[in-house]
Order: sequence, then C-alpha cells, then structure tokens
Amino acid sequence: KNEVEQSPQNLTAQEGEFITINCSYSVGISALHWLQQHPGGGIVSLFMLSSGKKKHGRLIATINIQEKHSSLHITASHPRDSAVYICVLIQGAQKLVFGQGTRLTINP
Amino acid sequence: GAVVSQHPSRVICKSGTSVKIECRSLDFQATTMFWYRQFPKQSLMLMATSNEGSKATYEQGVEKDKFLINHASLTLSTLTVTSAHPEDSSFYICSARKLNTEAFFGQGTRLTVV
Repeated sequence: KNEVEQSPQNLTAQEGEFITINCSYSVGISALHWLQQHPGGGIVSLFMLSSGKKKHGRLIATINIQEKHSSLHITASHPRDSAVYICVLIQGAQKLVFGQGTRLTINP
Repeated sequence: GAVVSQHPSRVICKSGTSVKIECRSLDFQATTMFWYRQFPKQSLMLMATSNEGSKATYEQGVEKDKFLINHASLTLSTLTVTSAHPEDSSFYICSARKLNTEAFFGQGTRLTVV
C-alpha cells in the first residue's frame, strides 16, 4: 500500500466550479506540501502546512493530522488553474514522499 | 518567496557524453538539496539528497557513479549525468530547503540524449 494516496487522479471541471483534491496518508509526518506543476514541468510550492488551514487567494489547504488527511480547494476555478497538483509528505528533517498527482483541467 | 534557479532548462546531448545541471538557491542558504527525476505522466522520483560539504545519499536503484552530485556550497548543487544514454532522457528537477522550512523547486531540466 502506498504511503500517500491522492484522489481523484484526473479531474475535469468547468470554469467557476469549486475544486477539491484529496490526499490521504498512512505514515507519521512533520508537515505536508501542496505543489503545482505546470505543463512545461515547472513546479511551484503552494502551501506547507502541519495543522489547520491556510489560504492564499483562491486556494485553501486543510490538514487533519489525526485523520491523516489533507485537502486542497480551489474556489472560482479558472483555466489557468489547469495543472498537476501534488501532495508531498515531509517526514522528519529531510524525507519527502510524493503523491502521484492529480491532473486538473478547467474548461472555459 | 525564495527562488531556486536551475540551469539549463533544456539540453540535448549525444550518447556517451556527460551533462551537468546546476541548481542554485538565489536568496537563501539551503542546508539540503534534492534531485528528482520525472518520466512522462509520472510523479517525481527522488534520486538523491545532498547536504552541503558531505557526500550525497542516493536512493535505491540510482547509480551514484552515473549521477554525480556535488554540493560544494550552501547555494549550489550540481548533478552530472555521465556517459549519458537515451534511456537517461528525462525531466530532472532540484529542490532546496532549509531545516524545517518548505522546499523550493527549480524549473527543471529536460534532458534529451540522442
């Protein structure tokens, strides 16, 4: 069983829809990253969180340490949000465990 | 936010030659740098972790003599793909972080070996 599971693997939605991407994990972590990877490959770190909730613009990330679950939400989605979103576990000081990613496509 | 610069962004090389990829943290000192490899439509796979001034720790299955990693300073790490073969063609990405902070990623290098 993978240490981290993302769902859905692929998601297509219409512009303006509220998007939720889930990340469940089975190991102890010190924190969790959400990354965004654009078609060209470039990666942007969206959030790092270890508890509660963080918000940046239209993006919201939550984590429940007891339930070992995190979600990334996008409000008022836009075609430019189309990308692969990756959940990354941070274990200890250095170890990073990557989810398989969720490919999001927002149609105009 | 912090910036990690990776160079080159694209490189094409002949089979048998070596290619060096640089990863620089521009506005912070990175205690740890990571090198990843990504095949099409797959997630990133960690190749090695390097700490400044010490030897890199390679993941299982990654040949340390083929993928040479040098972390000479707190702001620079290099990955050299030696005697490159077509199967080494891939997307290579570095990331850098300070202890207990988020990781910042380079833009990646698309390597094509012909």
